[in-house]
This record gives sequence, C-alpha cells and structure tokens, in this order.
Amino acid sequence: DQQVKQNSPSLSVQEGRISILNCDYTNSMFDYFLWYKKYPAEGPTFLISISSIKDKNEDGRFTVFLNKSAKHLSLHIVPSQPGDSAVYFCAASWLGYTGNQFYFGTGTSLTVIP
Amino acid sequence: DTGVSQNPRHKITKRGQNVTFRCDPISEHNRLYWYRQTLGQGPEFLTYFQNEAQLEKSRLLSDRFSAERPKGSFSTLEIQRTEQGDSAMYLCASSQTGGANQPQHFGDGTRLSIL
Repeated sequence: DQQVKQNSPSLSVQEGRISILNCDYTNSMFDYFLWYKKYPAEGPTFLISISSIKDKNEDGRFTVFLNKSAKHLSLHIVPSQPGDSAVYFCAASWLGYTGNQFYFGTGTSLTVIP
Repeated sequence: DTGVSQNPRHKITKRGQNVTFRCDPISEHNRLYWYRQTLGQGPEFLTYFQNEAQLEKSRLLSDRFSAERPKGSFSTLEIQRTEQGDSAMYLCASSQTGGANQPQHFGDGTRLSIL
C-alpha cells in the first residue's frame, strides 16, 4: 500500500523557469512532510520540510506547499538551475509514532535544461 | 562535518552467502534507521533503533535479516542465505531525538548485488 505517491516519474524544465513537483498522500495521520534530493550513487539529501500546522515553508529557491484537505504537497524551485537535476523524493511521517518511520514516494526525476 | 558513513559501498556475492553491512551515524544522533531501495522505488523502511534498542521492525525484515546496534553508536545489518531478491541499495539514516520531528540524514548506501 503506497501511502505517499508521486505520479510524475519525470519532469523537464528550462533553466530559470519554475519547477513544480507534486506529491499526494493517503494517511490522514501524517503531520510532517519532507523533500529529499538524490543524485546518482549518493544517498538522499534532506532539502526542506513542513509540519501540518503550516501551509507553506520557504528556504531560498525552494518552497513547499501543503494542502491538508487535498492531502497534497508540492515543491516549487524558482529559478531552476542545471544543478537541480536530480531525483526528488517526497516523504511523510507523523509525530507521536515512536518509530518516526518515513514513508517515501517513488520519486520524480527532474531535468533542468540549460 | 562527518555525515552518515556506510561500508562497504558495493557488495557482490553469490546466492546463499551471508553479508554484513556497517553504518556509522552522525555522532550526536540517537536514532538510526535502515531502509532498502530498489530500482524505481523510494526507500522502504526496514528497522529503527533508539540508542541500542531496536524499537521497530518492518514486515519486510524477514528472519534472514538481523540488525544490531550494540553500543548505541554504529549499527550492522546482516543478511543470511542471500537470495536474488535481496539485490538492492541498503540505506542507513540517523536523526536526533527531540519533541518535534527531525529530518533523517542518509548515508550513500551499500549496493548489494546477488549473483
């Protein structure tokens, strides 16, 4: 049962434009969401997170939006740069669960075209 | 800055052999996680330690898999009698404890190939 879904396996964007990566989840218990970036042959690198008490969190060029009613979050990258080309994973968890296990989506491969 | 370190980076072995991987977390992190990632999938949770206590195990962790964290520092993941389906990237992550959720920081993984 895939509780976190990324329905777009790939995305291509021109350098300087906005990249929008989407993620949907099914478990209403989730209250903590993260985005990770992964380059080939490396582990996932934490990018940005948001808790369910917020609907937006911004860090430089990266902004994550959370729509709890739709069980949807998105990552906006503005402006996109060639170095942003990587696989992006959405992950979710919930406070109070002792294991703090993260549930990951299947990833979206972003290509930023120079 | 010493991140999460995993050894070896690659392991190739014949079916039926035993393998052991090591993870050294970020030094001040009490929580340690093992995940498995196969091609086209996101990381899947295997098990979790808080200090030396193994507090959670996924149903993915069959009885051929065992993980330890004997002194609450490094951890090992052993797979006995390896099978073709065990071929995957095994990722270790660590995080701090605290009242709020904390991001997990991943190592670069150990890629296991079963011949």
